[in-house]
Amino acid sequence: KQEVTQIPAALSVPEGENLVLNCSFTDSAIYNLQWFRQDPGKGLTSLLLIQSSQREQTSGRLNASLDKSSGRSTLYIAASQPGDSATYLCAVNNNDMRFGAGTRLTVKP
Amino acid sequence: DAGVIQSPRHEVTEMGQEVTLRCKPISGHDYLFWYRQTMMRGLELLIYFNNNVPIDDSGMPEDRFSAKMPNASFSTLKIQPSEPRDSAVYFCASSLGQGWRQPQHFGDGTRLSIL
Repeated sequence: KQEVTQIPAALSVPEGENLVLNCSFTDSAIYNLQWFRQDPGKGLTSLLLIQSSQREQTSGRLNASLDKSSGRSTLYIAASQPGDSATYLCAVNNNDMRFGAGTRLTVKP
Repeated sequence: DAGVIQSPRHEVTEMGQEVTLRCKPISGHDYLFWYRQTMMRGLELLIYFNNNVPIDDSGMPEDRFSAKMPNASFSTLKIQPSEPRDSAVYFCASSLGQGWRQPQHFGDGTRLSIL
Protein backbone atom coordinates (compact mmCIF):
# COMPACT_ATOMS: atom_id res chain seq x y z
CA LYS A 1 0.00 0.00 0.00
CA GLN A 2 1.34 3.40 -1.00
CA GLU A 3 2.35 5.60 1.92
CA VAL A 4 3.05 9.30 1.52
CA THR A 5 5.00 11.28 4.09
CA GLN A 6 5.52 15.02 4.25
CA ILE A 7 8.23 16.71 6.26
CA PRO A 8 8.13 19.04 8.09
CA ALA A 9 4.58 19.02 9.45
CA ALA A 10 4.80 22.75 10.06
CA LEU A 11 7.15 25.50 8.96
CA SER A 12 7.36 29.17 9.86
CA VAL A 13 9.63 31.50 7.90
CA PRO A 14 10.10 35.27 7.51
CA GLU A 15 8.88 36.92 4.35
CA GLY A 16 11.31 36.78 1.45
CA GLU A 17 12.93 33.51 2.39
CA ASN A 18 13.27 30.64 -0.06
CA LEU A 19 11.98 27.34 1.27
CA VAL A 20 11.65 23.65 0.42
CA LEU A 21 8.85 21.27 1.31
CA ASN A 22 9.47 17.56 1.14
CA CYS A 23 7.32 14.62 0.11
CA SER A 24 8.32 10.95 0.09
CA PHE A 25 6.43 7.89 -1.10
CA THR A 26 7.01 4.16 -0.80
CA ASP A 27 5.89 2.81 -4.19
CA SER A 28 7.67 4.30 -7.19
CA ALA A 29 5.14 2.89 -9.70
CA ILE A 30 3.18 6.11 -10.05
CA TYR A 31 1.44 7.91 -12.90
CA ASN A 32 2.18 11.33 -11.51
CA LEU A 33 2.57 13.45 -8.41
CA GLN A 34 0.53 16.52 -7.67
CA TRP A 35 1.12 19.38 -5.25
CA PHE A 36 -1.88 21.17 -3.78
CA ARG A 37 -2.47 24.15 -1.61
CA GLN A 38 -5.28 24.19 0.95
CA ASP A 39 -6.45 27.36 2.67
CA PRO A 40 -8.47 27.10 5.90
CA GLY A 41 -12.08 26.15 5.22
CA LYS A 42 -11.41 25.71 1.53
CA GLY A 43 -10.84 22.93 -0.93
CA LEU A 44 -7.57 22.01 -2.57
CA THR A 45 -6.03 24.11 -5.31
CA SER A 46 -3.78 22.28 -7.72
CA LEU A 47 -0.36 23.94 -7.97
CA LEU A 48 1.76 21.61 -10.05
CA LEU A 49 1.43 18.17 -11.56
CA ILE A 50 4.51 16.18 -12.53
CA GLN A 51 4.05 13.19 -14.78
CA SER A 52 6.12 10.12 -13.99
CA SER A 53 8.31 10.77 -17.05
CA GLN A 54 9.14 14.30 -15.95
CA ARG A 55 11.78 15.55 -13.52
CA GLU A 56 10.33 18.93 -12.64
CA GLN A 57 7.62 21.49 -13.24
CA THR A 58 7.67 25.22 -12.70
CA SER A 59 4.96 27.80 -12.21
CA GLY A 60 5.96 31.30 -11.22
CA ARG A 61 7.80 31.18 -7.90
CA LEU A 62 7.07 27.47 -7.49
CA ASN A 63 9.24 24.62 -8.68
CA ALA A 64 8.47 20.97 -8.04
CA SER A 65 10.89 18.14 -8.64
CA LEU A 66 10.35 14.41 -8.82
CA ASP A 67 12.82 11.60 -8.25
CA LYS A 68 10.82 8.41 -8.75
CA SER A 69 13.67 6.04 -8.05
CA SER A 70 14.21 7.45 -4.58
CA GLY A 71 10.52 8.07 -3.95
CA ARG A 72 10.91 11.79 -3.36
CA SER A 73 9.52 15.10 -4.46
CA THR A 74 10.26 18.62 -3.34
CA LEU A 75 8.31 21.84 -3.69
CA TYR A 76 10.54 24.90 -3.80
CA ILE A 77 8.98 28.29 -3.09
CA ALA A 78 11.10 31.28 -3.95
CA ALA A 79 10.86 34.66 -2.23
CA SER A 80 8.03 33.60 0.06
CA GLN A 81 5.15 36.01 0.79
CA PRO A 82 2.55 36.13 3.59
CA GLY A 83 -0.04 35.12 0.98
CA ASP A 84 1.78 31.80 0.60
CA SER A 85 0.65 30.83 4.11
CA ALA A 86 -1.44 27.67 3.74
CA THR A 87 -1.20 23.90 4.05
CA TYR A 88 0.62 22.22 1.18
CA LEU A 89 -0.21 18.64 0.30
CA CYS A 90 1.38 16.25 -2.09
CA ALA A 91 -0.54 13.38 -3.64
CA VAL A 92 0.71 10.45 -5.67
CA ASN A 93 -1.36 8.70 -8.30
CA ASN A 94 -1.16 5.05 -9.25
CA ASN A 95 -4.81 4.39 -10.00
CA ASP A 96 -5.51 5.61 -6.50
CA MET A 97 -4.82 9.06 -5.11
CA ARG A 98 -2.80 8.94 -1.88
CA PHE A 99 -2.23 12.16 0.03
CA GLY A 100 0.39 13.17 2.52
CA ALA A 101 -0.70 14.77 5.78
CA GLY A 102 0.53 18.16 4.58
CA THR A 103 2.95 20.86 5.66
CA ARG A 104 1.42 23.90 7.32
CA LEU A 105 3.38 26.93 6.14
CA THR A 106 3.34 30.31 7.84
CA VAL A 107 5.15 33.22 6.22
CA LYS A 108 5.58 36.10 8.63
CA PRO A 109 5.61 39.70 7.37
CA ASP B 1 -15.65 29.17 -15.61
CA ALA B 2 -17.43 27.84 -12.57
CA GLY B 3 -15.44 25.37 -10.55
CA VAL B 4 -16.69 22.28 -8.77
CA ILE B 5 -19.75 23.23 -6.74
CA GLN B 6 -20.70 21.41 -3.56
CA SER B 7 -23.74 21.80 -1.36
CA PRO B 8 -24.43 22.30 1.41
CA ARG B 9 -21.27 23.96 2.73
CA HIS B 10 -22.13 22.97 6.27
CA GLU B 11 -24.44 20.30 7.63
CA VAL B 12 -25.23 19.58 11.24
CA THR B 13 -27.58 16.75 12.04
CA GLU B 14 -28.31 14.17 14.67
CA MET B 15 -27.08 10.62 14.47
CA GLY B 16 -29.40 8.25 12.71
CA GLN B 17 -30.52 10.84 10.20
CA GLU B 18 -29.98 10.52 6.48
CA VAL B 19 -27.43 12.92 5.01
CA THR B 20 -27.15 13.79 1.31
CA LEU B 21 -24.19 15.70 -0.06
CA ARG B 22 -24.29 17.12 -3.56
CA CYS B 23 -21.71 17.90 -6.21
CA LYS B 24 -21.73 19.56 -9.60
CA PRO B 25 -18.47 18.88 -11.49
CA ILE B 26 -16.86 21.24 -13.95
CA SER B 27 -18.73 21.10 -17.24
CA GLY B 28 -17.12 18.66 -19.65
CA HIS B 29 -15.15 16.78 -17.01
CA ASP B 30 -15.70 13.05 -17.25
CA TYR B 31 -14.15 11.92 -13.97
CA LEU B 32 -15.66 12.65 -10.56
CA PHE B 33 -14.14 11.81 -7.20
CA TRP B 34 -15.44 11.88 -3.64
CA TYR B 35 -12.98 12.32 -0.77
CA ARG B 36 -13.23 12.56 3.00
CA GLN B 37 -10.84 14.59 5.16
CA THR B 38 -10.37 14.12 8.90
CA MET B 39 -7.65 15.13 11.31
CA MET B 40 -6.89 11.52 12.14
CA ARG B 41 -6.83 10.00 8.66
CA GLY B 42 -6.15 12.94 6.37
CA LEU B 43 -7.64 12.87 2.87
CA GLU B 44 -9.07 9.57 1.69
CA LEU B 45 -10.57 8.64 -1.64
CA LEU B 46 -14.04 7.17 -1.19
CA ILE B 47 -15.24 6.49 -4.73
CA TYR B 48 -14.78 7.72 -8.26
CA PHE B 49 -16.85 7.75 -11.45
CA ASN B 50 -15.96 7.82 -15.12
CA ASN B 51 -18.68 8.91 -17.52
CA ASN B 52 -21.23 8.56 -14.71
CA VAL B 53 -20.26 4.95 -13.98
CA PRO B 54 -18.75 4.02 -10.59
CA ILE B 55 -15.28 2.61 -11.21
CA ASP B 56 -13.85 2.00 -7.75
CA ASP B 57 -15.78 2.20 -4.51
CA SER B 58 -13.28 0.32 -2.38
CA GLY B 59 -12.75 3.40 -0.24
CA MET B 60 -16.36 3.61 0.86
CA PRO B 61 -16.15 2.84 4.56
CA GLU B 62 -19.40 0.98 5.11
CA ASP B 63 -22.67 0.02 3.51
CA ARG B 64 -24.18 3.07 5.13
CA PHE B 65 -22.41 5.10 2.44
CA SER B 66 -23.65 5.21 -1.13
CA ALA B 67 -22.92 7.43 -4.13
CA LYS B 68 -24.70 8.02 -7.39
CA MET B 69 -24.12 9.98 -10.53
CA PRO B 70 -27.39 10.11 -12.49
CA ASN B 71 -25.95 12.42 -15.13
CA ALA B 72 -22.75 14.17 -16.13
CA SER B 73 -23.50 17.29 -14.10
CA PHE B 74 -24.61 15.90 -10.77
CA SER B 75 -23.52 13.45 -8.10
CA THR B 76 -24.66 12.64 -4.59
CA LEU B 77 -23.02 11.01 -1.60
CA LYS B 78 -25.51 9.64 0.89
CA ILE B 79 -25.01 8.41 4.45
CA GLN B 80 -27.87 6.46 6.01
CA PRO B 81 -27.97 6.19 8.96
CA SER B 82 -25.36 8.74 9.97
CA GLU B 83 -23.07 8.29 12.97
CA PRO B 84 -20.86 10.75 14.90
CA ARG B 85 -17.70 9.15 13.44
CA ASP B 86 -18.86 10.25 9.99
CA SER B 87 -18.13 13.85 10.97
CA ALA B 88 -15.57 15.16 8.49
CA VAL B 89 -15.13 17.44 5.52
CA TYR B 90 -16.27 15.77 2.30
CA PHE B 91 -14.76 16.95 -0.96
CA CYS B 92 -15.80 16.38 -4.51
CA ALA B 93 -13.30 16.74 -7.36
CA SER B 94 -13.44 16.39 -11.12
CA SER B 95 -10.94 15.99 -13.93
CA LEU B 96 -10.93 15.83 -17.70
CA GLY B 97 -9.89 12.71 -19.53
CA GLN B 98 -7.40 10.02 -18.58
CA GLY B 99 -8.51 10.17 -14.98
CA TRP B 100 -5.41 9.93 -12.90
CA ARG B 101 -3.12 11.59 -15.43
CA GLN B 102 -4.85 14.96 -15.31
CA PRO B 103 -5.07 17.52 -12.49
CA GLN B 104 -8.05 17.17 -10.21
CA HIS B 105 -10.11 20.24 -9.41
CA PHE B 106 -11.67 20.34 -5.96
CA GLY B 107 -14.80 21.93 -4.60
CA ASP B 108 -14.78 23.82 -1.30
CA GLY B 109 -16.16 20.82 0.57
CA THR B 110 -19.07 20.07 2.86
CA ARG B 111 -18.30 20.22 6.57
CA LEU B 112 -20.46 17.54 8.16
CA SER B 113 -21.10 17.31 11.89
CA ILE B 114 -23.10 14.42 13.29
CA LEU B 115 -24.23 14.98 16.86
